[in-house]
Amino acid sequence: DAGVTQSPTHLIKTRGQQVTLRCSPKSGHDTVSWYQQALGQGPQFIFQYYEEEERQRGNFPDRFSGHQFPNYSSELNVNALLLGDSALYLCASSPYSSGNTIYFGEGSWLTVV
Amino acid sequence: AQKITQTQPGMFVQEKEAVTLDCTYDTSDPSYGLFWYKQPSSGEMIFLIYQGSYDQQNATEGRYSLNFQKARKSANLVISASQLGDSAMYFCAMSLLNTGFQKLVFGTGTRLLVSP
Repeated sequence: DAGVTQSPTHLIKTRGQQVTLRCSPKSGHDTVSWYQQALGQGPQFIFQYYEEEERQRGNFPDRFSGHQFPNYSSELNVNALLLGDSALYLCASSPYSSGNTIYFGEGSWLTVV
Repeated sequence: AQKITQTQPGMFVQEKEAVTLDCTYDTSDPSYGLFWYKQPSSGEMIFLIYQGSYDQQNATEGRYSLNFQKARKSANLVISASQLGDSAMYFCAMSLLNTGFQKLVFGTGTRLLVSP
């Protein structure tokens, strides 16, 4: 049973560019959330997707957007990259009906230069 | 507002000993969930244990147990018989009913170092 998978694992982008990160949820999970974890901090909630719609959003600018596909996989897009966007981006999946099972992927390390 | 506080930036323990990692939480919502995750240097956030606010008994998962003291709003993680592979960052997190239990708020983490 595959867990949460994310790609790419590492990437380097230049300021002003755009990036797309991808996530496949654990089998049986229909909800995907994205978190940003800056160095030395705990993860911060970006947004949650269920039934292909953004359901909740944290305190992140509109440069951060996402999408969920019919197979429950998800993308996180960040436009106009800033140096401060350098972080580990974590994807979490869970069943919408249950809040006690939230699993994370290995993350995507983004460096903006 | 919901908040998780982890006051121990770092903890040291010898192999085979038990260690307690502290976590206190703040919320006015009566329905919430408490989680502990382990994060090795690779970055993956590994689920360890979950406790619901209405669970009567403390959660246990193998060598991990959660010491849930509701009146004190604490949810400490106890790791018994520490192993070298337990060296990692440990995060306490909380979810609330009013967010469908789908949004986690994390503490700042505790770095655990297990020595031989």
